[in-house]
Amino acid sequence: GESVGLHLPTLSVQEGDNSIINCAYSNSASDYFIWYKQESGKGPQFIIDIRSNMDKRQGQRVTVLLNKTVKHLSLQIAATQPGDSAVYFCAEPSNTGKLIFGQGTTLQVKP
Amino acid sequence: EPEVTQTPSHQVTQMGQEVILRCVPISNHLYFYWYRQILGQKVEFLVSFYNNEISEKSEIFDDQFSVERPDGSNFTLKIRSTKLEDSAMYFCASSYGRASYEQYFGPGTRLTVT
Repeated sequence: GESVGLHLPTLSVQEGDNSIINCAYSNSASDYFIWYKQESGKGPQFIIDIRSNMDKRQGQRVTVLLNKTVKHLSLQIAATQPGDSAVYFCAEPSNTGKLIFGQGTTLQVKP
Repeated sequence: EPEVTQTPSHQVTQMGQEVILRCVPISNHLYFYWYRQILGQKVEFLVSFYNNEISEKSEIFDDQFSVERPDGSNFTLKIRSTKLEDSAMYFCASSYGRASYEQYFGPGTRLTVT
């Protein structure tokens, strides 16, 4: 069946360092992925997306990399700040529209 | 910036009672969703709604659950007879299109069943 999964439940980084959060998926036909950020007590918030015709997409301080060969994507956050502390989910929309979320990685930023 | 709103933020109810969770999606959106998140777990899809009918529902969304769009702005999730395992955060989301369109999530309703 379809699934997306994250590699590490928790990632702890020093403020100012770069963070890399990983995600694997199982369906080789998957063509669209989204990263969501969920702060404590809030709903998931869209960060960045990527389609399968791209290997890389950049936003403000964030970059998503997609490796279709090994069915892996990653979210890179440059110069991590305390406000980046949250749970990060990769998600994949099915062709019916529902989002399939991975387990989530908790990013802890140490001052 | 337009946003999805949900009420109440926290609902405590006794097992067996009915609850209605309310959502106001973004006004020009056409697709509506409910998700839930049990504490410490991932977000799970419950149901999608389009054109005044359910488009898809998960196996979690059994006969105890129903959704309704009673007017042009509200979107509700009703649980007829709550169980302890229904305790979770419930998120409403909406999008303009399906699949490749960004879903905007509300802040959630924390449901506690005692």
